[in-house]
Amino acid sequence: GENVEQHPSTLSVQEGDSAVIKCTYSDSASNYFPWYKQELGKRPQLIIDIRSNVGEKKDQRIAVTLNKTAKHFSLHITETQPEDSAVYFCAAIPTSGTYKYIFGTGTRLKVLA
Amino acid sequence: NAGVTQTPKFRILKIGQSMTLQCAQDMNHNYMYWYRQDPGMGLKLIYYSVGAGITDKGEVPNGYNVSRSTTEDFPLRLELAAPSQTSVYFCASSHRVAVSSYNEQFFGPGTRLTVL
Repeated sequence: GENVEQHPSTLSVQEGDSAVIKCTYSDSASNYFPWYKQELGKRPQLIIDIRSNVGEKKDQRIAVTLNKTAKHFSLHITETQPEDSAVYFCAAIPTSGTYKYIFGTGTRLKVLA
Repeated sequence: NAGVTQTPKFRILKIGQSMTLQCAQDMNHNYMYWYRQDPGMGLKLIYYSVGAGITDKGEVPNGYNVSRSTTEDFPLRLELAAPSQTSVYFCASSHRVAVSSYNEQFFGPGTRLTVL
C-alpha cells in the first residue's frame, strides 16, 4: 500500500543554521504534499504545502521542494530559531481512490540556542 | 469560526468502561478523520468519513466505532476500554471539491485519554 518514509527522526541544529527534512513516497499518483508542525502538547498545524504541478514553494524562512521523478519532497527551514523546535510531519495524498492522508513518522527538530 | 472542537480535553477511564469522544466542525467540511497519537509517535488513522452517513476504517479501527449522522459531528466511541487505548486522540476535517483536489486538514485540540 501507500507509504511515506521520513528522515531523519531527530535533528539538532544550532540557532541560525538551516534544517532539512526529507520524505519519500511510494504512490506516483500522489499530488498533494503538506507539512505539519506539532509543538509539544499541541495539535498539528499546516505550515506549508505543495501540489504536484509545482517544483518549489517558499514562505519566508520555510520552503518545500518536490522531485516527482524521484518521488521525494523536502522541507527546508533557514535561519532557524528556538521557536522552530517541534515535531514536523510530512504527508502525501494518493489519488488512487483513497481519501486518506499518509503521514510520515515525524522528525523531532531541536534548535540549540 | 470555532474550527474543529473536541470534548473532553482529558479523561481517565477504568478498564472495561466505555465513552464517546465528541468532535464537531463548523467549516462545512465533507471529510472528517480520527487519529490516535501515542507518546512520541506519529499519527495513526482510526476511522474516517467522506460525508454524512459514510464511514470507513483506517489502519487501527479495532476497539472503536464511529457514526456520521450530520456534516458537523463525528463522534468516536470506545467500547470496553483497554490500557492499550491510552493515547491522545485528534479529530480532523478537510474539504474536497473534486477527485483531484485535496486541501489542508484542520485538527482539533485533542483529547488525552488514560485507561487504568
